[in-house]
Amino acid sequence: SYELSQRPSVSVSPGQTATITCSGDELHNRFVSWFQQKTGRSPVLVMFQDSRRPSGIPERFSGSNSGNTATLTISGTQTMDEADYYCLIWDSSTGVFGGGTKLTV
Amino acid sequence: QVRLVQSGGEVKNHGASVKVSCKASGYTPTKFESSFGFTWVRQAPGQGLEWMGWINPHISHTNYARKFQGRVTMTTDASTNTAYMELRSLQFDDTAVYYCARVVGELLDNWGQGTLVTVSS
Repeated sequence: SYELSQRPSVSVSPGQTATITCSGDELHNRFVSWFQQKTGRSPVLVMFQDSRRPSGIPERFSGSNSGNTATLTISGTQTMDEADYYCLIWDSSTGVFGGGTKLTV
Repeated sequence: QVRLVQSGGEVKNHGASVKVSCKASGYTPTKFESSFGFTWVRQAPGQGLEWMGWINPHISHTNYARKFQGRVTMTTDASTNTAYMELRSLQFDDTAVYYCARVVGELLDNWGQGTLVTVSS
């Protein structure tokens, strides 16, 4: 079965750029979604089809997908961005989540 | 706007079953939205998100994660726009928050508030 790998934690200072990665075999051949989950809250879709932002998601969030790695980038990170971030792909109609990355700001 | 409201928390004995509901509002799925459905995701305490399966009610299609096959059933009631997830033979490590999410194409674009299921002895 397909597997996605994420670094357990990333730490940045306010105003810096946060880079959160998701790795998988030939990942560039798949669309990646990203979810933000704050403590005690439901996940929120922040990126889909690798680099598209849902309405209401700030422009400081951007995404890319190349080779075996998808990247969620948060420019000018704010304290409100502190959360867990999960990537998701679909593999033969089956959803696969990465293990999640805890972003500390 | 789209809203998914889940049923309340449950405490179940080991070996029992639980059925969680997820009522959707704020939109009307059309008969021909073949790429629309509901997915269920769970999160054990302090752990990550785990995909359980999804249902497309318009083509009567379900797909369950291999881990849950034989133990989970996902259904929908079109008359009330409600999705259900039943998990049987509960084990202690089934203690988790269970989320429903609307699926449009491959997007999980709206999530319910979560339902805590606690398995006790």
